[in-house]
Amino acid sequence: AQTVTQSQPEMSVQEAETVTLSCTYDTSESDYYLFWYKQPPSRQMILVIRQEAYKQQNATENRFSVNFQKAAKSFSLKISDSQLGDAAMYFCAYRGAQGGSEKLVFGKGTKLTVNP
Amino acid sequence: DTGVSQNPRHKITKRGQNVTFRCDPISEHNRLYWYRQTLGQGPEFLTYFQNEAQLEKSRLLSDRFSAERPKGSFSTLEIQRTEQGDSAMYLCASSLGVGVQPQHFGDGTRLSIL
Repeated sequence: AQTVTQSQPEMSVQEAETVTLSCTYDTSESDYYLFWYKQPPSRQMILVIRQEAYKQQNATENRFSVNFQKAAKSFSLKISDSQLGDAAMYFCAYRGAQGGSEKLVFGKGTKLTVNP
Repeated sequence: DTGVSQNPRHKITKRGQNVTFRCDPISEHNRLYWYRQTLGQGPEFLTYFQNEAQLEKSRLLSDRFSAERPKGSFSTLEIQRTEQGDSAMYLCASSLGVGVQPQHFGDGTRLSIL
């Protein structure tokens, strides 16, 4: 079974600074998808960024970028120019591309605090 | 795009009672998912529908849990004979049915068992 591990329960960053959230995963599949979701307090979960495993190029969405290391099974999220609105729980998620499963497997999350 | 809607937002019930939650997906989305999230954890997959067909169920979905999507639009999740361990946030998500599409989540229904 696939597992996702987020080793940082909490992180903090100063406004306008850069922070990196870590995620590792375990799978025997060769093709899969990885996601970062953001869950603000008492609000719905929002997709931040996605990465297809077959793509070598790291995904980027504005201030958000990933460092995808397939061999190391690592998928970290970098937030540049942090803003107060970035404060939230961040979840790393895995979805296999084989076997027809649609489920997302989530890590336990990292709580990000942004200090003014 | 009005987003995924879940009702009720909160449900408080006594142990042993039955509860039912409703999820209305984004209108053009034919895939619908249920997840459960307990405090301090990430969401855990429960089940998935493509249109009205329930195609995947987790082992977490015990025989006290049943989910339906009768007309391929809204879905209900029923828990019978609730237990303390059922206390959680129940999240619904939907996505388009072509390829690997991002799942859009609702606000969730928080269930508290007294």
